[in-house]
Amino acid sequence: DTGVSQNPRHKITKRGQNVTFRCDPISEHNRLYWYRQTLGQGPEFLTYFQNEAQLEKSRLLSDRFSAERPKGSFSTLEIQRTEQGDSAMYLCASSLEDGGNTIYFGEGSWLTVV
Amino acid sequence: SQQGEEDPQALSIQEGENATMNCSYKTSINNLQWYRQNSGRGLVHLILIRSNEREKHSGRLRVTLDTSKKSSSLLITASRAADTASYFCATVGGGSQGNLIFGKGTKLSVKP
Repeated sequence: DTGVSQNPRHKITKRGQNVTFRCDPISEHNRLYWYRQTLGQGPEFLTYFQNEAQLEKSRLLSDRFSAERPKGSFSTLEIQRTEQGDSAMYLCASSLEDGGNTIYFGEGSWLTVV
Repeated sequence: SQQGEEDPQALSIQEGENATMNCSYKTSINNLQWYRQNSGRGLVHLILIRSNEREKHSGRLRVTLDTSKKSSSLLITASRAADTASYFCATVGGGSQGNLIFGKGTKLSVKP
C-alpha cells in the first residue's frame, strides 16, 4: 500500500517527556501537512511543508512543538516537555503541489500524556 | 479556528434510508472535500468538489455545492450499517496554500 504512513500508532508518555512522530507521505506528493484532533472535534491544522520548506504554522504550534522534513520526503513532529493537554490524535496528510488537489490522510498517531 | 459547521451534529437512521448532511462555511473557497472517519481511525477521502462545480456523484454519494449560500450537502443513499462513522467537510480557501479547514463533523449511526 502506498498511502500515508504514520508511526507509532499509539504512544503513552509521562508528562514532561519528549515524543516524536514520523510520517511517510505518498511518494510523489511534495506537500505534507500535520493536523491535531481531539475527541469530538474536527482536525485542526498545525503546519505544512512544500518539499523541505515549512511554509505555514498555526498558532496552535507552540514553541514546544517542532516539525521537520529534512529531505522533502518523510517528516517528524516532536513535542517537548509534554503536557496532558497535548493528548490527542496527530494526523499527517499529503498532496500534490496544486492547492486544488485531494489531500490524503494517514491513520494517525494517538498520544496519551499521563 | 474551524471554518465549517456540519448539521446535524448527530444523525441516526435505519439501514436502507438516505442520510443527508449539510455543511456551511464562511469564506471563499477553492474546493470543498468530504471525509469519513471511523472511530479511532484516520480520515478517508470521499469526494472533492471545486468551487465552479455544483454537483458530483460517486457511487451512493452525492455532493452539492452552493457557493452563493456558502453551503454543501452530502447525501448517502441506501445507507448500510458500514456507513456508520463521522463525516467531515473541509474547505480549501481561495487564496490559501491548500491546507484544509474542518468543521466538527456529523456523527452518523445506521442501525441494521
